[in-house]
Amino acid sequence: EVQLVESGGGLVQPGESLRLSCAASGFTFSTYWMAWVRQAPGKGLEWVANIGHYGSGEYNVDSVRGRFTISRDNAKDSLYLQMNSLRADDTAVYYCARENWGTFDLWGQGTLVTVSS
Amino acid sequence: DIQMTQSPSSLSASVGDRVTITCRASQGIRGDLDWYQQKPGKAPRPLISGASSLQSGVPSRFSGSGSGTEFTLTISSLQPEDFATYYCLQHNSYPRTFGQGTKVEIK
Repeated sequence: EVQLVESGGGLVQPGESLRLSCAASGFTFSTYWMAWVRQAPGKGLEWVANIGHYGSGEYNVDSVRGRFTISRDNAKDSLYLQMNSLRADDTAVYYCARENWGTFDLWGQGTLVTVSS
Repeated sequence: DIQMTQSPSSLSASVGDRVTITCRASQGIRGDLDWYQQKPGKAPRPLISGASSLQSGVPSRFSGSGSGTEFTLTISSLQPEDFATYYCLQHNSYPRTFGQGTKVEIK
Protein backbone atom coordinates (compact mmCIF):
# COMPACT_ATOMS: atom_id res chain seq x y z
CA GLU A 1 0.00 0.00 0.00
CA VAL A 2 1.24 3.44 -0.91
CA GLN A 3 1.36 5.43 2.32
CA LEU A 4 3.16 7.82 4.60
CA VAL A 5 3.07 7.36 8.36
CA GLU A 6 4.29 10.10 10.70
CA SER A 7 5.44 9.60 14.27
CA GLY A 8 7.27 11.46 17.01
CA GLY A 9 4.77 14.12 17.98
CA GLY A 10 3.92 14.93 21.57
CA LEU A 11 3.86 17.53 24.33
CA VAL A 12 7.04 19.52 24.92
CA GLN A 13 7.93 22.67 26.79
CA PRO A 14 9.01 25.89 25.08
CA GLY A 15 12.67 25.78 24.12
CA GLU A 16 12.80 21.99 23.89
CA SER A 17 13.46 19.82 20.85
CA LEU A 18 11.54 17.12 19.04
CA ARG A 19 12.25 14.93 16.02
CA LEU A 20 9.44 13.87 13.74
CA SER A 21 9.71 10.86 11.44
CA CYS A 22 7.78 9.83 8.37
CA ALA A 23 7.94 6.27 7.08
CA ALA A 24 7.18 5.81 3.40
CA SER A 25 6.02 2.58 1.80
CA GLY A 26 4.61 1.33 -1.47
CA PHE A 27 6.63 3.61 -3.75
CA THR A 28 10.24 4.39 -4.64
CA PHE A 29 10.94 6.96 -1.96
CA SER A 30 14.28 8.11 -3.35
CA THR A 31 12.73 9.37 -6.59
CA TYR A 32 10.51 11.98 -4.93
CA TRP A 33 10.99 15.33 -3.30
CA MET A 34 9.34 15.33 0.13
CA ALA A 35 7.86 18.00 2.36
CA TRP A 36 6.47 18.87 5.77
CA VAL A 37 3.25 20.89 6.03
CA ARG A 38 1.69 21.96 9.32
CA GLN A 39 -1.69 23.12 10.55
CA ALA A 40 -2.17 24.96 13.82
CA PRO A 41 -5.40 24.14 15.69
CA GLY A 42 -8.36 25.64 13.85
CA LYS A 43 -6.10 27.32 11.29
CA GLY A 44 -5.07 26.83 7.67
CA LEU A 45 -2.25 24.90 6.08
CA GLU A 46 1.34 26.16 6.19
CA TRP A 47 4.19 24.71 4.17
CA VAL A 48 7.23 24.17 6.41
CA ALA A 49 10.03 22.64 4.36
CA ASN A 50 11.00 20.63 1.28
CA ILE A 51 13.93 18.37 0.53
CA GLY A 52 15.28 17.03 -2.74
CA HIS A 53 15.76 13.42 -3.77
CA TYR A 54 19.18 12.98 -2.21
CA GLY A 55 18.98 15.53 0.56
CA SER A 56 19.98 18.50 -1.51
CA GLY A 57 17.77 21.44 -2.31
CA GLU A 58 16.32 22.08 1.12
CA TYR A 59 13.90 24.93 1.43
CA ASN A 60 11.98 26.14 4.46
CA VAL A 61 9.67 28.88 5.61
CA ASP A 62 11.18 31.92 7.35
CA SER A 63 9.47 31.22 10.67
CA VAL A 64 11.38 27.95 11.18
CA ARG A 65 14.69 28.79 9.50
CA GLY A 66 17.60 28.14 11.84
CA ARG A 67 15.42 26.07 14.17
CA PHE A 68 14.01 23.24 12.04
CA THR A 69 16.01 20.90 9.81
CA ILE A 70 14.51 18.57 7.25
CA SER A 71 16.45 15.44 6.31
CA ARG A 72 15.92 12.03 4.77
CA ASP A 73 17.38 8.55 4.75
CA ASN A 74 16.62 6.88 1.44
CA ALA A 75 17.99 3.56 2.68
CA LYS A 76 15.29 3.57 5.34
CA ASP A 77 12.56 5.20 3.18
CA SER A 78 12.23 7.83 5.86
CA LEU A 79 11.83 11.58 6.16
CA TYR A 80 12.64 13.57 9.29
CA LEU A 81 12.04 16.98 10.81
CA GLN A 82 14.35 18.00 13.62
CA MET A 83 12.69 20.82 15.54
CA ASN A 84 14.76 22.83 18.02
CA SER A 85 13.95 25.82 20.19
CA LEU A 86 10.26 25.07 19.95
CA ARG A 87 7.78 27.87 20.59
CA ALA A 88 4.09 27.91 21.43
CA ASP A 89 3.26 29.00 17.89
CA ASP A 90 4.85 25.79 16.55
CA THR A 91 1.90 23.89 18.04
CA ALA A 92 0.26 22.13 15.10
CA VAL A 93 -0.48 18.90 13.34
CA TYR A 94 2.54 18.14 11.17
CA TYR A 95 1.93 16.32 7.91
CA CYS A 96 4.50 14.58 5.78
CA ALA A 97 3.77 14.89 2.05
CA ARG A 98 5.16 13.54 -1.19
CA GLU A 99 5.81 16.12 -3.86
CA ASN A 100 5.14 15.22 -7.48
CA TRP A 101 5.98 18.02 -9.94
CA GLY A 102 5.09 20.56 -7.27
CA THR A 103 1.85 18.91 -6.18
CA PHE A 104 1.58 17.29 -2.77
CA ASP A 105 -0.03 14.12 -4.08
CA LEU A 106 0.30 11.86 -1.05
CA TRP A 107 -0.12 12.84 2.61
CA GLY A 108 0.35 11.11 5.92
CA GLN A 109 -2.27 11.18 8.66
CA GLY A 110 -0.37 13.79 10.64
CA THR A 111 1.24 13.92 14.07
CA LEU A 112 0.34 16.50 16.72
CA VAL A 113 3.04 18.63 18.31
CA THR A 114 2.01 20.64 21.35
CA VAL A 115 4.39 23.21 22.81
CA SER A 116 3.25 24.33 26.22
CA SER A 117 4.56 24.86 29.72
CA ASP B 1 6.70 35.87 -0.90
CA ILE B 2 3.66 35.20 -3.07
CA GLN B 3 0.40 35.82 -1.23
CA MET B 4 -2.58 33.67 -2.11
CA THR B 5 -6.00 35.16 -1.42
CA GLN B 6 -9.03 32.92 -1.52
CA SER B 7 -12.62 34.08 -1.71
CA PRO B 8 -15.01 33.64 -0.19
CA SER B 9 -13.64 32.48 3.16
CA SER B 10 -16.85 30.53 3.68
CA LEU B 11 -20.07 29.81 1.85
CA SER B 12 -23.35 28.04 2.44
CA ALA B 13 -24.79 25.98 -0.36
CA SER B 14 -27.32 23.27 -1.01
CA VAL B 15 -26.85 19.84 -2.54
CA GLY B 16 -26.96 20.24 -6.29
CA ASP B 17 -25.72 23.84 -6.30
CA ARG B 18 -22.89 25.01 -8.51
CA VAL B 19 -20.07 26.38 -6.35
CA THR B 20 -17.12 28.52 -7.42
CA ILE B 21 -14.11 29.39 -5.28
CA THR B 22 -11.50 31.90 -6.40
CA CYS B 23 -7.82 32.14 -5.60
CA ARG B 24 -5.74 35.18 -6.51
CA ALA B 25 -1.97 35.29 -6.47
CA SER B 26 -0.08 38.48 -5.60
CA GLN B 27 2.11 37.93 -8.67
CA GLY B 28 1.99 35.72 -11.72
CA ILE B 29 2.46 32.00 -11.10
CA ARG B 30 1.69 30.67 -14.60
CA GLY B 31 -0.39 27.51 -13.97
CA ASP B 32 1.53 26.36 -10.89
CA LEU B 33 -1.50 26.05 -8.67
CA ASP B 34 -3.20 23.14 -6.93
CA TRP B 35 -6.50 22.72 -5.10
CA TYR B 36 -6.91 20.55 -1.99
CA GLN B 37 -9.94 19.39 -0.04
CA GLN B 38 -9.77 18.83 3.70
CA LYS B 39 -12.38 17.31 5.98
CA PRO B 40 -12.24 17.71 9.77
CA GLY B 41 -9.58 15.58 11.40
CA LYS B 42 -8.27 14.35 8.06
CA ALA B 43 -5.25 15.08 5.89
CA PRO B 44 -5.74 17.26 2.82
CA ARG B 45 -6.60 15.49 -0.42
CA PRO B 46 -5.33 16.80 -3.76
CA LEU B 47 -8.12 17.56 -6.21
CA ILE B 48 -6.57 19.60 -9.02
CA SER B 49 -2.95 20.06 -10.06
CA GLY B 50 -1.44 22.47 -12.54
CA ALA B 51 -4.55 24.68 -12.28
CA SER B 52 -6.79 22.35 -14.28
CA SER B 53 -5.69 18.70 -14.17
CA LEU B 54 -7.97 16.44 -12.20
CA GLN B 55 -6.15 14.12 -9.84
CA SER B 56 -6.79 10.39 -10.17
CA GLY B 57 -10.02 9.29 -8.52
CA VAL B 58 -11.47 12.79 -8.18
CA PRO B 59 -15.06 13.09 -9.47
CA SER B 60 -15.54 14.99 -12.71
CA ARG B 61 -17.88 17.50 -11.03
CA PHE B 62 -14.67 19.19 -9.82
CA SER B 63 -12.86 21.41 -12.29
CA GLY B 64 -10.19 24.06 -12.17
CA SER B 65 -9.23 26.91 -14.43
CA GLY B 66 -7.04 29.96 -14.61
CA SER B 67 -3.51 31.08 -15.19
CA GLY B 68 -1.26 33.88 -14.07
CA THR B 69 -2.88 35.46 -11.03
CA GLU B 70 -6.51 34.33 -11.00
CA PHE B 71 -7.76 30.80 -10.57
CA THR B 72 -11.09 29.13 -9.89
CA LEU B 73 -12.26 25.82 -8.50
CA THR B 74 -15.77 24.85 -9.57
CA ILE B 75 -17.98 22.12 -8.21
CA SER B 76 -20.69 21.68 -10.83
CA SER B 77 -23.25 19.96 -8.61
CA LEU B 78 -22.46 19.93 -4.90
CA GLN B 79 -22.77 16.54 -3.22
CA PRO B 80 -23.10 15.78 0.51
CA GLU B 81 -19.51 14.49 0.65
CA ASP B 82 -18.19 17.79 -0.76
CA PHE B 83 -18.85 19.76 2.40
CA ALA B 84 -15.29 20.51 3.51
CA THR B 85 -12.62 23.19 3.47
CA TYR B 86 -10.80 23.89 0.22
CA TYR B 87 -7.30 25.33 -0.13
CA CYS B 88 -5.28 26.55 -3.07
CA LEU B 89 -1.49 26.19 -3.11
CA GLN B 90 1.06 27.88 -5.35
CA HIS B 91 4.18 25.89 -6.21
CA ASN B 92 5.70 28.38 -8.58
CA SER B 93 8.31 29.57 -6.11
CA TYR B 94 9.52 29.26 -2.54
CA PRO B 95 8.15 29.63 0.00
CA ARG B 96 5.19 27.55 -1.07
CA THR B 97 2.05 29.36 0.05
CA PHE B 98 -1.51 28.23 0.64
CA GLY B 99 -4.64 30.29 0.47
CA GLN B 100 -6.41 30.80 3.79
CA GLY B 101 -9.11 28.27 2.93
CA THR B 102 -12.78 28.29 1.94
CA LYS B 103 -15.19 26.41 4.16
CA VAL B 104 -18.17 25.01 2.24
CA GLU B 105 -21.11 24.44 4.59
CA ILE B 106 -24.58 23.04 4.21
CA LYS B 107 -27.34 25.60 3.72
